[in-house]
Amino acid sequence: QKEVEQNSGPLSVPEGAIASLNCTYSDRGSQSFFWYRQYSGKSPELIMSIYSNGDKEDGRFTAQLNKASQYVSLLIRDSQPSDSATYLCAVNAGHSGNTPLVFGKGTRLSVIA
Amino acid sequence: NAGVTQTPKFRILKIGQSMTLQCAQDMNHNYMYWYRQDPGMGLKLIYYSVGAGITDKGEVPNGYNVSRSTTEDFPLRLELAAPSQTSVYFCASSPRQLRSYNEQFFGPGTRLTVL
Repeated sequence: QKEVEQNSGPLSVPEGAIASLNCTYSDRGSQSFFWYRQYSGKSPELIMSIYSNGDKEDGRFTAQLNKASQYVSLLIRDSQPSDSATYLCAVNAGHSGNTPLVFGKGTRLSVIA
Repeated sequence: NAGVTQTPKFRILKIGQSMTLQCAQDMNHNYMYWYRQDPGMGLKLIYYSVGAGITDKGEVPNGYNVSRSTTEDFPLRLELAAPSQTSVYFCASSPRQLRSYNEQFFGPGTRLTVL
């Protein structure tokens, strides 16, 4: 069973701080990694994708991937109350484009004003 | 573009009833998916499709059926509803381009209660 693990939280950070969200995965052959944001009662929204080791930055968001450690993280700089949501890590479960994603249970982030 | 649309938004079923959850996308995406999300849990894949006429089981397919006769539509059928099927159901789609095939776009969801 391929697994994606996340700390369920809640993770509380003050407004303006850096929020760090972590995810580990079990399938060493995984190729694609994603972060989705889900507001309460809403559907998941893709915010970051990363495919190669290292960092990828997009605005206030930075995704980090370390395939050797089977670890992917999301940093949110200058956290805002509007960032309060559940963040889902998702990993391509196999080795081709026809294999679907496996999602973690999500980390609930609360940004305190 | 409307993106991914789902109907109905809410539904209450009695045990043993059947229903079809509708999903449509207008982005010409090849891949479509059905997930369920229980409170405090992540998304569990029910069924997916890589193109019209092709479907495959996900992690939790029991009690559900799907069909994909067109690129746009991917309905999910519940036969003999059970309380364990109470959940929020999300449909998603993704394009077939290299490395984009898992960048999934989600519909707004259907909240189903089985009593």
